[in-house]
Amino acid sequence: SAVISQKPSRDICQRGTSLTIQCQVDSQVTMMFWYRQQPGQSLTLIATANQGSEATYESGFVIDKFPISRPNLTFSTLTVSNMSPEDSSIYLCSVGEGGYTFGSGTRLTVV
Amino acid sequence: DAKTTQPTSMDCAEGRAANLPCNHSTISGNEYVYWYRQIHSQGPQYIIHGLKNNETNEMASLIITEDRKSSTLILPHATLRDTAVYYCIVRVSGNTPLVFGKGTRLSVIA
Repeated sequence: SAVISQKPSRDICQRGTSLTIQCQVDSQVTMMFWYRQQPGQSLTLIATANQGSEATYESGFVIDKFPISRPNLTFSTLTVSNMSPEDSSIYLCSVGEGGYTFGSGTRLTVV
Repeated sequence: DAKTTQPTSMDCAEGRAANLPCNHSTISGNEYVYWYRQIHSQGPQYIIHGLKNNETNEMASLIITEDRKSSTLILPHATLRDTAVYYCIVRVSGNTPLVFGKGTRLSVIA
């Protein structure tokens, strides 16, 4: 299975600012997936990121709020823009090829 | 939407078998049953998956009913480190995202 390095592991941010989360995979993968986990809740898929094309967003998530980059087959970023306290969550990336694996998550607190 | 139904929570005594049920009555013929767990907000961890036959690995056993409408994950000798949220997911094989339901919060008690 692929190994994913995700960073930062946690951050505390001021409202109105943006945070970019990075995921590096140790092998080339076609798709990467981004999830949000709000406090006490299950994981919700934000978007699917393919290399060389625009990410596909799930209902309730928009590109202006969660822009995603996928510059190559081993790397992706998710930006949480213009943050509010409601964005306080754990954000996780995942890949499915060779067996699903997840990054360790980014715990974001917006104050 | 998730296609599975699981109990919200369960308790299990340490050293005993933990049996976690999952209903997936609308499962399609080409959909697999996957089990993941999440320990204390870490990234979900793969446990086991199966199509129609029972499966066993070093972590757990998966029992799928003959009609495939339900399954049970068995942790044969639960330890305190097995305390986690367990997710049952049905999906086709291939590179599609996992869709998580609410899962079962398993508490292993000493």
